[in-house]
Amino acid sequence: EVQLVESGGGLVQPGGSLRLSCAASGFTFSSYWMHWVRQAPGKGLVWVSRINSDGSSTNYADSVKGRFTVSRDNAKNTLHLQMNSLSDEDTAVYYCARDLKDFWSGAPLRACDMWGQGTMVTVSS
Amino acid sequence: EIVLTQSPGTVSLSPGERATLSCRASQSVSSSYLAWYQQQPGQAPRLLIYGASSRATGIPDRFSGSGSGTDFTLTISRLEPEDFAVYYCQQYGSSGPALTFGGGTKVEIK
Repeated sequence: EVQLVESGGGLVQPGGSLRLSCAASGFTFSSYWMHWVRQAPGKGLVWVSRINSDGSSTNYADSVKGRFTVSRDNAKNTLHLQMNSLSDEDTAVYYCARDLKDFWSGAPLRACDMWGQGTMVTVSS
Repeated sequence: EIVLTQSPGTVSLSPGERATLSCRASQSVSSSYLAWYQQQPGQAPRLLIYGASSRATGIPDRFSGSGSGTDFTLTISRLEPEDFAVYYCQQYGSSGPALTFGGGTKVEIK
């Protein structure tokens, strides 16, 4: 089955750290760019980070730059998000998402065609 | 930084009616990188449209996207019960490497 499954969410105190994981299956994970997108309770979608297919290039939203690190292990078909110095503003459901590839060229199309179910991160004392 | 403004915030319609959702960008957006998503309560988003007008795999043809420049539209030709949800537009490229989402439009049952 083609799917993404996030894990690692939970309750953490302000200033704390958490590492999220996203396990991919059913497709060639190493061929796809991947994203993390978050959604605070009752709010809209906010892009967090992106990593290219071999992990050599990453980008971050300004709100998380310097605190979050995205990485991937293509041998284990797994995406990670290391989150440090967490604040209550980071409370959200975190989704991993796959970047759609152009059928002919294989280039990323910057739209997310597959999403995990999300993992909840709550930052609170 | 580009801002995507979706309107209306909420629209109340009946099954069978036509829905027209707007996404306006604060600066010109490449049509190649404009997407639309549907999100049901408690679920992950689902890609509907990419490249402004291409339907994603498995998306019914009652969903269509159009537009260019700063004005984009998602049209649902005849609303089915399962179409009542929140819809988001998203762009890439007009303000760096980030994906930018609009604030969403809720389509509710009248």
